[in-house]
Amino acid sequence: EPEVTQTPSHQVTQMGQEVILRCVPISNHLYFYWYRQILGQKVEFLVSFYNNEISEKSEIFDDQFSVERPDGSNFTLKIRSTKLEDSAMYFCASSRVRINTGELFFGEGSRLTVL
Amino acid sequence: AQSVTQLDSQVPVFEEAPVELRCNYSSSVSVYLFWYVQYPNQGLQLLLKYLSGSTLVKGINGFEAEFNKSQTSFHLRKPSVHISDTAEYFCAVSETSGTYKYIFGTGTRLKVLA
Repeated sequence: EPEVTQTPSHQVTQMGQEVILRCVPISNHLYFYWYRQILGQKVEFLVSFYNNEISEKSEIFDDQFSVERPDGSNFTLKIRSTKLEDSAMYFCASSRVRINTGELFFGEGSRLTVL
Repeated sequence: AQSVTQLDSQVPVFEEAPVELRCNYSSSVSVYLFWYVQYPNQGLQLLLKYLSGSTLVKGINGFEAEFNKSQTSFHLRKPSVHISDTAEYFCAVSETSGTYKYIFGTGTRLKVLA
């Protein structure tokens, strides 16, 4: 069964460092997303991406964040200068269609710990 | 704007007992409703969804949920749980015909005891 894969599963970094989280969406999906979950809190939408541009983003997704699809398979989330409050589980997701009557497929998550 | 409340952060239940995980939402527009499950060390997996039609929705692994518009609820139920149902369960909403910008609840950890 096709799945969304994420790397790394866990990353520890120092405050102020740049971090790149990688995702390989399901191959015939066109819409890509990042969500995050701070420990004990809600899963929150960060950004959606289609046709090589951001479709929608939340207020969390500030200038420190960026997304990119550098090739035909990877989808990355970059945090330019990490803060303590960026510590969270980051989930990548993909969907075949834009409209939410279908299914959103999530990866296993990348846990980011900022020290 | 929408919001989702899952009042129970943890629900312990004995194997073969029934379980109900509660979800209430608020929204000024029509919404679709979803339940996702996260097993240990795995991603979120869709359990079931309500888009329209019958208010009783059946999902995978014997789970079902009932949409109650007047009470703005979408509670998840299973008549008899198994050890393997131990997981975190997330309720989510999104605007009808909208995008996958889900609003999630904080999750309920279901622990099935032998």
